[in-house]
Amino acid sequence: QKEVEQDPGPLSVPEGAIVSLNCTYSNSAFQYFMWYRQYSRKGPELLMYTYSSGNKEDGRFTAQVDKSSKYISLFIRDSQPSDSATYLCAFYILTGGGNKLTFGTGTQLKVEL
Amino acid sequence: ETGVTQTPRHLVMGMTNKKSLKCEQHLGHNAMYWYKQSAKKPLELMFVYNFKEQTENNSVPSRFSPECPNSSHLFLHLHTLQPEDSALYLCASSQVSGGASEKLFFGSGTQLSVL
Repeated sequence: QKEVEQDPGPLSVPEGAIVSLNCTYSNSAFQYFMWYRQYSRKGPELLMYTYSSGNKEDGRFTAQVDKSSKYISLFIRDSQPSDSATYLCAFYILTGGGNKLTFGTGTQLKVEL
Repeated sequence: ETGVTQTPRHLVMGMTNKKSLKCEQHLGHNAMYWYKQSAKKPLELMFVYNFKEQTENNSVPSRFSPECPNSSHLFLHLHTLQPEDSALYLCASSQVSGGASEKLFFGSGTQLSVL
């Protein structure tokens, strides 16, 4: 079983739609849960960051973590064409033997006019 | 210049060439990283430098050789690459605090094609 599973898409939605992006994970030791956004021909940029179960909101973006189900989601409200990008989930564990950051494969999102 | 800058943006090289990728961070961070990004695969960590010291080499072939002369600059020297090494190579930096360094700041990457 892969440590992180993420649907690669592509996901195409009309402008104004609510978008739901998801990742499942198997390592219960993950401590931090993140979403990165990567525009075409650019590096990833940190979008959302949380370390606890529940919801965290930032403008049109909401990150949701369910540790009991090992499931995280990113919701985008009122999606815009500028949201078209690849979204990477990422998980971080701080251990005595070294830190580990594990990425999903990314979901490609296209928001159409 | 702000953030993390990488040069060149694109690189085409033959299997017998030697080339270098350059990365510079202007964020005052104390850790720098090389990642490889291939289509349909998760980001693969290649090398980590904390305070200029290499702390991780993730079983990377010796045809990739990193160099970190100071906490702001990072190089990846390439020689006798294989076509399967074609990918986007990303540099990142972070601030290690209390042992944690979970927030990475990435450059735009070098798109490498090996012929």
